[in-house]
Order: sequence, then structure tokens, then C-alpha cells
Amino acid sequence: DQQVKQNSPSLSVQEGRISILNCDYTNSMFDYFLWYKKYPAEGPTFLISISSIKDKNEDGRFTVFLNKSAKHLSLHIVPSQPGDSAVYFCAASVTNFGNEKLTFGTGTRLTIIP
Amino acid sequence: DARVTQTPRDKVTEMGQEVTMRCQPILGHNTVFWYRQTMMQGLELLAYFRNRAPLDDSGMPKDRFSAEMPDATLATLKIQPSEPRDSAVYFCASGRESGINEQFFGPGTRLTVL
Repeated sequence: DQQVKQNSPSLSVQEGRISILNCDYTNSMFDYFLWYKKYPAEGPTFLISISSIKDKNEDGRFTVFLNKSAKHLSLHIVPSQPGDSAVYFCAASVTNFGNEKLTFGTGTRLTIIP
Repeated sequence: DARVTQTPRDKVTEMGQEVTMRCQPILGHNTVFWYRQTMMQGLELLAYFRNRAPLDDSGMPKDRFSAEMPDATLATLKIQPSEPRDSAVYFCASGRESGINEQFFGPGTRLTVL
């Protein structure tokens, strides 16, 4: 049972345009969400996160939006740059002391076309 | 700078052989996770430790996989006997017990079982 879903395995975007990566979840107990970025032959690295008490979090070119009623979050990258080409994983957790587990999606491979 | 290290980076072995993967978490981190990356499931959690105690290994095939933390600086994942379906990239991650569940990943071990 995939509790975190990334339905687009891949996405191609022109350099300079906006990239939008989507993620859906089914577990209403999730209250903290993260995006990780992964380059080939490296481990995933943390990119940005959002708590369920917010609906938007911004960090430079990266913005994450959360729609709790739809159980949907998205990552916006603007403007997209060639270095953004990577696999992006969405992750979710239930934040209480005693649970540090993250549930990951299957990833979306983003390719930025120069 | 502080990083999670994993050895070996690549392992090719024959079916039936024992495989041991090692991880050194970031100093001061008290949670350690083992993941397996597959195309279909994304990042699957295999095992999870807090303060060296195993908390959840429900994602691990019990008959052939085992995970331990002999001390705070070393986590191991063993497969005995290995099978071709175990071929995947195995990641170790560490974090702090803080209620905000950011995890820091190592570079992974690419395992190929022939």
C-alpha cells in the first residue's frame, strides 16, 4: 500500500521555465512533508519541508505548496536550471517523539532542457 | 563536513553468498535507517534504530536479512544467503531524535547478486 504517491515518473522542462512536481498521500495522520533531491550515484539530500500548519514554504527558487483537504503537495522550481536535473522524492511523516520514520514516494525524474 | 559514510560503494556477488554492508552515521545522530531503492517502490524502509536499539524492521525479509548496531559509530546490514532479487541500491541515513524528521543519507551501496 503506497501511502505516498508520485504519479509522474518523469518530467522534462525547458531551462528558465517553471518545474512543478506533484505528490499525493493517503494517510491523514501525516503532518510533516519533505522533498529530497537525488543525483546519480549519490544519496538523497534534503531540499525543503513543510509542516501541516502551513500551506506554503519558500526557499529561494523552491516553493512547496500543501493542500491538506486534497492530500496533495507540490514542489515548484522557478526558474529551472540545468543543475536541477535529478530525481525528486516526496516524503511524509507523523511528527511525534518516538517516531522518526519517513514514508517516501517512488520519485520523479526531472530533466531540464538547456 | 559531517557526512554519513557507507562501505562498500559497489558489491558484486554470487547467489548464496553472504553480503555485509556498513554505515557510519553522523557523529551525534542517534537514529539510523536502512533503505532499499527499487524502481517500483522507491525508497523502502528496511530497518530503523534509535540509540542503537532496533525499533522497526518490519520492512526487512526476516529469513535472510539482519541489521545491527554494534556501537554508535557503526550500523551493519547483512544478507545471508543473497538472491538475485536483492540487487538494488541500499542507503543508510541518520538523524536526530527531534520531532522534525530530516534524515541525512549516505552515498549508498550498489549491490548486484548474480
